[in-house]
Amino acid sequence: DTEVTQTPKHLVMGMTNKKSLKCEQHMGHRAMYWYKQKAKKPPELMFVYSYEKLSINESVPSRFSPECPNSSLLNLHLHALQPEDSALYLCASSPLGLRSGNTIYFGEGSWLTVV
Amino acid sequence: SQQGEEDPQALSIQEGENATMNCSYKTSINNLQWYRQNSGRGLVHLILIRSNEREKHSGRLRVTLDTSKKSSSLLITASRAADTASYFCATDLYGNNRLAFGKGNQVVVIP
Repeated sequence: DTEVTQTPKHLVMGMTNKKSLKCEQHMGHRAMYWYKQKAKKPPELMFVYSYEKLSINESVPSRFSPECPNSSLLNLHLHALQPEDSALYLCASSPLGLRSGNTIYFGEGSWLTVV
Repeated sequence: SQQGEEDPQALSIQEGENATMNCSYKTSINNLQWYRQNSGRGLVHLILIRSNEREKHSGRLRVTLDTSKKSSSLLITASRAADTASYFCATDLYGNNRLAFGKGNQVVVIP
């Protein structure tokens, strides 16, 4: 099993809603990532969990709240988002934590539209 | 911050031709990686080249790295329609797998 699974694939939410994006991997990987990608732009790193601890937060606004309930699961809780937060949200994992050069495996992404 | 920056080109080629794209970066790196992204999908890791390597091959892919010029190139030989995608280079700036992706190159292979 070499998959990173993300749900939902598409999400439309209002600016006052609270929703969550979910990510799961069963490869035993020890680091999990959230990236944000706007149309025709490269992915931008948001958060990294390594060994279930938040290791990197790229100064992401608090309306995005990550959670790592266990080594296989990663959530991104969304609250009071703005229309400009509409993007493709990519989850990823890597086997050896934050060790440089270990391959990052991406999920197919969750398309988020904020109305 | 985005360090790896491909030459901003959209490439349109005929099936069977070779496709070359370039990436430049600004500071020292531990390694450089190339990823492919089909439209609206996740990224797929293609190849990693370490700072002490100059060339690496994987199937129809050839990557070069010139640390003196802070640049890398990705060559896809004998392209296929299925190679149509965006290709990103990514650099590990801090040695902790914290990748900075370049702008991406859109490649269209015409059958």
